[in-house]
Amino acid sequence: AQSVTQLGSHVSVSEGALVLLRCNYSSSVPPYLFWYVQYPNQGLQLLLKYTSAATLVKGINGFEAEFKKSETSFHLTKPSAHMSDAAEYFCAVSGRDDKIIFGKGTRLHILP
Amino acid sequence: NAGVTQTPKFQVLKTGQSMTLQCAQDMNHEYMSWYRQDPGMGLRLIHYSVGAGITDQGEVPNGYNVSRSTTEDFPLRLLSAAPSQTSVYFCASSYPSGGRPNNEQFFGPGTRLTVL
Repeated sequence: AQSVTQLGSHVSVSEGALVLLRCNYSSSVPPYLFWYVQYPNQGLQLLLKYTSAATLVKGINGFEAEFKKSETSFHLTKPSAHMSDAAEYFCAVSGRDDKIIFGKGTRLHILP
Repeated sequence: NAGVTQTPKFQVLKTGQSMTLQCAQDMNHEYMSWYRQDPGMGLRLIHYSVGAGITDQGEVPNGYNVSRSTTEDFPLRLLSAAPSQTSVYFCASSYPSGGRPNNEQFFGPGTRLTVL
């Protein structure tokens, strides 16, 4: 069965600094991978997805992620953090079956 | 389009009571799913459905039932509520293409359930 591991339940970065949120996956077949963002008291919103096309995927709000098969990783990055990026971020994987499995999430804090 | 709607927004139950969380979508999506969100646990898949009449278990199905009689509706039933089922429940839908779900899931606003 597929699974996702997100390293770091909390990440703090200064405003203007690089954002790096880590996601490693496990799947017995080439995976589909997703990053979602959740703002307080809201549902989840898709940031970007990887479905076996380009390995570098660009999403909304300046975020991007790179699929690295050799490292089984799909880390999320943004060159310059903004206060509005403070939220919880979830990585998810779709593998052999029809299940979409989420990681435990990383809460991003932006320091002024 | 209303998207994915969930009712109720809040609910308090006593241990042993049963109830149904409603979920509906008006986007003609085939794929629908239920997740529960707990602090530090992320979202865990309870049940999912790839189309009307077809449902399957997710990661944490015990204590929950689902049915999918129409494309639009995917209710989640708690058979006998327990305090461990206190959580925020999210319903989601998407339109899978090419087999495995590979499209954006649209999430409802959630139902916050407390079991005393």
